[in-house]
Amino acid sequence: DTGVSQNPRHKITKRGQNVTFRCDPISEHNRLYWYRQTLGQGPEFLTYFQNEAQLEKSRLLSDRFSAERPKGSFSTLEIQRTEQGDSAMYLCASSLGPGQGAYGYTFGSGTRLTVV
Amino acid sequence: GESVGLHLPTLSVQEGDNSIINCAYSNSASDYFIWYKQESGKGPQFIIDIRSNMDKRQGQRVTVLLNKTVKHLSLQIAATQPGDSAVYFCADQYSSASKIIFGSGTRLSIRP
Repeated sequence: DTGVSQNPRHKITKRGQNVTFRCDPISEHNRLYWYRQTLGQGPEFLTYFQNEAQLEKSRLLSDRFSAERPKGSFSTLEIQRTEQGDSAMYLCASSLGPGQGAYGYTFGSGTRLTVV
Repeated sequence: GESVGLHLPTLSVQEGDNSIINCAYSNSASDYFIWYKQESGKGPQFIIDIRSNMDKRQGQRVTVLLNKTVKHLSLQIAATQPGDSAVYFCADQYSSASKIIFGSGTRLSIRP
């Protein structure tokens, strides 16, 4: 296992289309996080899972966004009816869980979404 | 609410000099602070962390200082090298069970 894997690396879509991103965490990690990062800004928290349970969702996660982690392993983030403001880097991270601190928080390289 | 912020958006240092990147936070309940390095096209990479019961922690060429009185955090990089060029983020977490909140970042560039 070489780390957190995200696919695709880049996605260009037309406004109004739906897109789905995938994240494969480190296999023994039971926590999985989604963040969004726009140019010049720090990553903004979107949501996280403990195994298959979605424990927290940010107010940034509008009704057009949905995330799943059906078997507690990989996760998908779907954006419906994309808007130009959705253009950003979508980052996934995984960790062992509470008490592990940030040392166990490993990020993927992200999926860069461009909505045209 | 939770908030961390950086004092400067960019920092340019001479290769071989020490770099100091500063950060302020607002949440008095934060008990864990982290510095990340992000290179172009990559996700954030953990550098060093510090808990609120400490005021200093050292790693390899890096030192983090925490001043809880003024809610200030700094990252010192000794003998800055070209490979240190990146955006640096401070982040905080107010309990081990909560998510990590990032500030807006400082871009460090190295002059030869």
